[in-house]
Amino acid sequence: DIQMTQSPSSLSASVGDRVTITCRASQSINSHLNWYQQKPGKAPKLLIYSASSLQSGGPSRFSASGSGTDFTLTISSLQPEDFATYYCQQSYGTPFTFGQGTKLEIK
Amino acid sequence: QVQLQESGPGLVKPSETLSLTCTVSGGSIRSYYWSWIRQPPGKGLEWIGEIKYSESSNYSPSLKSRVTMSGDTSKNELSLKLSSVTAADTAVYYCARNGPTGYSFDYWGQGTLVTVSS
Repeated sequence: DIQMTQSPSSLSASVGDRVTITCRASQSINSHLNWYQQKPGKAPKLLIYSASSLQSGGPSRFSASGSGTDFTLTISSLQPEDFATYYCQQSYGTPFTFGQGTKLEIK
Repeated sequence: QVQLQESGPGLVKPSETLSLTCTVSGGSIRSYYWSWIRQPPGKGLEWIGEIKYSESSNYSPSLKSRVTMSGDTSKNELSLKLSSVTAADTAVYYCARNGPTGYSFDYWGQGTLVTVSS
């Protein structure tokens, strides 16, 4: 199985901050990397697909990059609704695997 | 707009079989792969497996011996069966569509909590 490791596991930030979350794959997955946002009690929501493509309707303050084994998700200016848990997921091959999540909290 | 809705018993006894249904509206289960994903309380996401009606299914190796997925096109429903459950199978279970964009999970159900307990 391809292991996905996110860092940090938790992050405290303020509204207006720029934050970056990192995801590392245990082997090259090219650009087969997706990012999800999950709020408490809700299903995950697709934010970014294919490493850097913003899902339709997604806010432009979200951006992502990377290929191979190292990927990043950046929020340019945190908004109150962005405080949530973020997961990366590889779609390179089955079994599809997720990172352990990064919980973004209000400072 | 594609919508997914999971349903099934919220409580299952240890050693029994967990059975869930995912009703899909706004799209046909004949198109795309559809996945089941679970999330134990307070923990991360685990992919269980995927199915494309009448084509193929793929299961996570860690659950493969206990998982069966199927589809009913007359009802546009997907089903998940997980046998010999233990407390470790307690989780929120989601169905999701493997979308055309990056093979990501682009549509999700709201999830259903299944507790394994006697």
